[in-house]
Amino acid sequence: GENVEQHPSTLSVQEGDSAVIKCTYSDSASNYFPWYKQELGKRPQLIIDIRSNVGEKKDQRIAVTLNKTAKHFSLHITETQPEDSAVYFCAASRNDYKLSFGAGTTVTVRA
Amino acid sequence: GAGVSQSPSNKVTEKGKDVELRCDPISGHTALYWYRQRLGQGLEFLIYFQGNSAPDKSGLPSDRFSAERTGESVSTLTIQRTQQEDSAVYLCASGATSETDTQYFGPGTRLTVL
Repeated sequence: GENVEQHPSTLSVQEGDSAVIKCTYSDSASNYFPWYKQELGKRPQLIIDIRSNVGEKKDQRIAVTLNKTAKHFSLHITETQPEDSAVYFCAASRNDYKLSFGAGTTVTVRA
Repeated sequence: GAGVSQSPSNKVTEKGKDVELRCDPISGHTALYWYRQRLGQGLEFLIYFQGNSAPDKSGLPSDRFSAERTGESVSTLTIQRTQQEDSAVYLCASGATSETDTQYFGPGTRLTVL
């Protein structure tokens, strides 16, 4: 089955700086890669996703890049703000319903 | 519109007791998923329902775990003879189709087994 690894497990950045989280996956047939944000005590919420026919996708301060050859994808948050502090999860799926999640990255934005 | 709802929000039980957790998906969503999230960890897939098809139970950790779904509506996750290692947040999600569409999560049920 799919194995998704996520790094780093924790990330502390100064407000205004950028944050980058990287994930690798094992199943070359995977073609859907969502990112979820989970604030403390709350439910995971989709923040951005990318499909394998696209190399990069951007939505305001967040962007995701995908390298299918290397089987890795990354989340980039620019101009970080305190409200970006949360746990971020990457996931991968091979065109079916079963998402395989990474272990999560705890992001702390220091004011 | 209403999102995914789950009940109870918190459940404390004694080891060996049975518990039942409920999920109400978004109306019209045919896909429903259950996940387990242990403290500080990622999401573990438990079970998936899609319409009237046979569910994918491949993520259920033991035969103490079972889940039912009534048509395309409410689902219940039952854990029999609870153990302390069952303590976790149980998250339900629903989606519009069986394809790789967005999964919308409920708030979760925090289960504590004493």
